[in-house]
Amino acid sequence: QQQVKQSPQSLIVQKGGISIINCAYENTAFDYFPWYQQFPGKGPALLIAIRPDVSEKKEGRFTISFNKSAKQFSLHIMDSQPGDSATYFCAASTSYGKLTFGQGTILTVHP
Amino acid sequence: DTAVSQTPKYLVTQMGNDKSIKCEQNLGHDTMYWYKQDSKKFLKIMFSYNNKELIINETVPNRFSPKSPDKAHLNLHINSLELGDSAVYFCASSLHLDRDRLNIQYFGAGTRLSVL
Repeated sequence: QQQVKQSPQSLIVQKGGISIINCAYENTAFDYFPWYQQFPGKGPALLIAIRPDVSEKKEGRFTISFNKSAKQFSLHIMDSQPGDSATYFCAASTSYGKLTFGQGTILTVHP
Repeated sequence: DTAVSQTPKYLVTQMGNDKSIKCEQNLGHDTMYWYKQDSKKFLKIMFSYNNKELIINETVPNRFSPKSPDKAHLNLHINSLELGDSAVYFCASSLHLDRDRLNIQYFGAGTRLSVL
């Protein structure tokens, strides 16, 4: 049972373009939604996170949009750069701390 | 200094062997985790310890046994290794629900286990 569904599996974007990755969740008990970035040979690293009491959070070129009623959230990467090429994971957590990850999106930004 | 360090980075072994992976964190966190990342890059939690107490124990074969000697260490011992155990295993740590009730997890670089 996949509680967090992520799409697309892979994404190719030109430098300067906008990358959009979407996630949907089922468990309404989730109350924390982080995005992790993973480069080859490295562990995932927290990129940005949001709580369900806000609809949007922006940090630099990265923005999370959150739609509580639709149980969906998305990551937008503005002005995508080749250095952003990585695998991105959305995740959701309940109050006792268990993270459930989406399937991951491999982002490739062409120069 | 590496915040969450795992050893070894690579582990190649034969089916049926027993092996251990070690993890140490120097962030002062009280909660540590083991995740398995399969060949399709799917990340799934296996175990979590808070202050040396097991708090998350997902459906994992009992050949996998975590051990936490103290808050800064969480080791993973695997008995009778099988081909399907081949994966990347990640250790992570966090403050269990910090004052903002967040669970920011910091991951190690992973241990790539190959069972032949």
